Amino acid sequence: DVKVTQSSRYLVKRTGEKVFLECVQDMDHENMFWYRQDPGLGLRLIYFSYDVKMKEKGDIPEGYSVSREKKERFSLILESASTNQTSMYLCASSTGGLKETQYFGPGTRLLVL
Amino acid sequence: DAKTTQPPSMDCAEGRAANLPCNHSTISGNEYVYWYRQIHSQGPQYIIHGLKNNETNEMASLIITEDRKSSTLILPHATLRDTAVYYCIVLGSWGKLQFGAGTQVVVTP
Repeated sequence: DVKVTQSSRYLVKRTGEKVFLECVQDMDHENMFWYRQDPGLGLRLIYFSYDVKMKEKGDIPEGYSVSREKKERFSLILESASTNQTSMYLCASSTGGLKETQYFGPGTRLLVL
Repeated sequence: DAKTTQPPSMDCAEGRAANLPCNHSTISGNEYVYWYRQIHSQGPQYIIHGLKNNETNEMASLIITEDRKSSTLILPHATLRDTAVYYCIVLGSWGKLQFGAGTQVVVTP
């Protein structure tokens, strides 16, 4: 079974803090994705990566950065957290082409005060 | 990217089949139909996907119409643990998943 894990299920941070969200997958997948999910807005793609050290912007990259130093790990960084970044953050991974099945982690619910 | 339309909610009795419809009339010839579900406060779970033929796995069956403009997800024997929001998605460019509002399925005893 594919396993995608995220470092925290719940996180509370203060405005202006730097926040790191970690995602690890154990299936040697090439592609990894970061989404955020908000009520009424559905799932929105923040960044994705199709190889180590490669990254591509999604639909809403502003205020975020990512790092992929190893194939199994994809980190999302909030450089200076703001209240409008309060959300559920979901990591996913897939193998092969970008249109292959994506498998999700359990999500991190981030609250920025 | 093709959009999908699903009913907002559906009830199903435990042990009965649940048939979840989805319209995707603007789907392109090489776009797959994917189904995911999300139990409250958890990450989405992949269920099944297909291109034009009907598909079946251990979780569900997917029936795609011949013109590919609609599909139906079938949960053959619904259990209480199948209560979730079910999303029908047409996988667009760059592998970007776009979840709409989905169908809230409630399985009752």
